[in-house]
Amino acid sequence: SQTIHQWPATLVQPVGSPLSLECTVEGTSNPNLYWYRQAAGRGLQLLFYSVGIGQISSEVPQNLSASRPQDRQFILSSKKLLLSDSGFYLCAWTPAGNEQFFGPGTRLTVL
Amino acid sequence: GENVEQHPSTLSVQEGDSAVIKCTYSDSASNYFPWYKQELGKRPQLIIDIRSNVGEKKDQRIAVTLNKTAKHFSLHITETQPEDSAVYFCAANGYNNNDMRFGAGTRLTVKP
Repeated sequence: SQTIHQWPATLVQPVGSPLSLECTVEGTSNPNLYWYRQAAGRGLQLLFYSVGIGQISSEVPQNLSASRPQDRQFILSSKKLLLSDSGFYLCAWTPAGNEQFFGPGTRLTVL
Repeated sequence: GENVEQHPSTLSVQEGDSAVIKCTYSDSASNYFPWYKQELGKRPQLIIDIRSNVGEKKDQRIAVTLNKTAKHFSLHITETQPEDSAVYFCAANGYNNNDMRFGAGTRLTVKP
């Protein structure tokens, strides 16, 4: 069966510091991978998605970036965090056009 | 790209009553419409989904209806229970079938 992991589970970072969040999927190959951000009490904002190694589609201009160095690994990064980057970051995977399976999420607080 | 709107943003019902949440989408090419339930602090979990080749799907107390012509779909929960309290999200797949667009969510509260 497929499993999706995210780490860390929680993170507190100062403004201006770098960020690296990691997501990995087990039990499948060539998945579509997604990064979402959810601000407190808000909906899911699609940040990036990837249909293959090295292929990244960006949805919103921001100080975040994503990379897919391996088939089942998706990384979300920032060189300098802003206060507005605080939120619940969710990674998800899917066979194209089907149900998305979400990871456990990373709760990021930028102080 | 696809745009999904969801209403209402909050919904409060008495235990045993029905709850209805509605969503509209913009891209006529969308063909997959899932509904997710998110409990506080947890990841969204799929509860039901529907594809564009059917108009209605039911799973026990939960049902979803789809009107392709009007580009809207709805979630119906009957005989609500306190454990149904959560945030519910609708979604629709995007034009290239690779991305999923979510509604803003509905916070459902079921009062005992």
